This record gives sequence, C-alpha cells and structure tokens, in this order.
Amino acid sequence: EDKVVQSPLSLVVHEGDTVTLNCSYEVTNFRSLLWYKQEKKAPTFLFMLTSSGIEKKSGRLSSILDKKELFSILNITATQTGDSAVYLCAGGGYSGGGADGLTFGKGTHLIIQP
Amino acid sequence: DGGITQSPKYLFRKEGQNVTLSCEQNLNHDAMYWYRQDPGQGLRLIYYSQIVNDFQKGDIAEGYSVSREKKESFPLTVTSAQKNPTAFYLCASSIAWTGGQPQHFGDGTRLSIL
Repeated sequence: EDKVVQSPLSLVVHEGDTVTLNCSYEVTNFRSLLWYKQEKKAPTFLFMLTSSGIEKKSGRLSSILDKKELFSILNITATQTGDSAVYLCAGGGYSGGGADGLTFGKGTHLIIQP
Repeated sequence: DGGITQSPKYLFRKEGQNVTLSCEQNLNHDAMYWYRQDPGQGLRLIYYSQIVNDFQKGDIAEGYSVSREKKESFPLTVTSAQKNPTAFYLCASSIAWTGGQPQHFGDGTRLSIL
C-alpha cells in the first residue's frame, strides 16, 4: 500500500523565520511528488517534482526531491502571516491501468505568528 | 475562467438518506477524482474516472457511488450504507489519465449528519 508521511504535523514560527517541511514517500511505480497549500477550502497546487536533485522555485518557496532516499522538502523563506496554511504532500504513481489518484500525507499545519 | 465547481458548499443528511454531491469542470480534463478529508487527516481517494462512462474504486469506496455520463460532470452519491459520512469532500480533475499529474481542486462540500 502506498504511503506518504509528512513531518512535523504542526509548526508555529514567527514572521520572517525560514521553515522546512518534510515528506517521505513509498509509492508504487513512482512518477511524481506534488506539494499543495490548503487554507480554508481547495488545495492549491505549488510544485510537481519528477527528477531528483532539481530544485523548483517560486518566490520564497522552493522544493527539492531525493528519489534515492524517497523524500522531498518544501522550504519557505522570510515567512509571512499569509503563509499560514496546511501544506499537503502527495505521491503519484502509475499502475499501468490508468490514473490512480494521488496518495496524500496528513499535512503540516503551519502557523506564522506576527 | 476555467475551474471546478462543487455544490452545495454545505449539506446535511438524515439517517437512511442518500445524498448527491455535484462536481462540474470546464477545464476539458479527462480525469476526475473524489477525495474525502477528515479533521487532521490527509485526503483519501474515494473514486476516480479516466474517461467518460468509466470509473474505478479508490481506497475508501464502500458506501459511495459515482457516475460519469459527461466529460464535465462527476457526481458523488453518499448512500445510507456509509455509516460515517461527516467529512469534507473534494472533487479534482487532471489533464491526463497517466497518473501523477497535478490535480486541480474544487472548493469542497462539507457534509454533516442531522
């Protein structure tokens, strides 16, 4: 059974701090690792990583994948209160029969204090 | 603007009642998915569909049913056989059925038992 484990489950930091969120995965026929940000409602897509060692960057957020060690990290620098959210990590695989959906971790609940 | 529309936002179910959650997308995506999210938990896959008139069970399909008669629409019925239906339900779609693709989410339906 596919599994995605995120740590920590919750994190409280002060505005301006840098945070690192962790995600380890065991996904059959692994194809991609995805990060989402969920505030109140719909998760919004942040990154999709398929190649090991290549950093994806968007403003203050960046992510990297290690396919040998089966983990990914999401970094947020100079955090702002608007970064407060649940960050979800998901692994995508391919069974050969079609879309399998994604396997999600439980999420990291990040709170940024002013 | 293209997107995924879920309705209603809030839904209440009486004992023994079937209820149907609507999901419509105008992104021209082939694949559609239904997830359930419980407090403090990640998303769990209920059903997914690669193409019209085809759908597959996910990890927690018992007590749920779906149909895919049109490309744009993927309604989920929560039947009376689902004994613990209180949860946040998210519908998603992706451009391809090859697995591991980014999924775009609707704003969700929150279902509660009366």
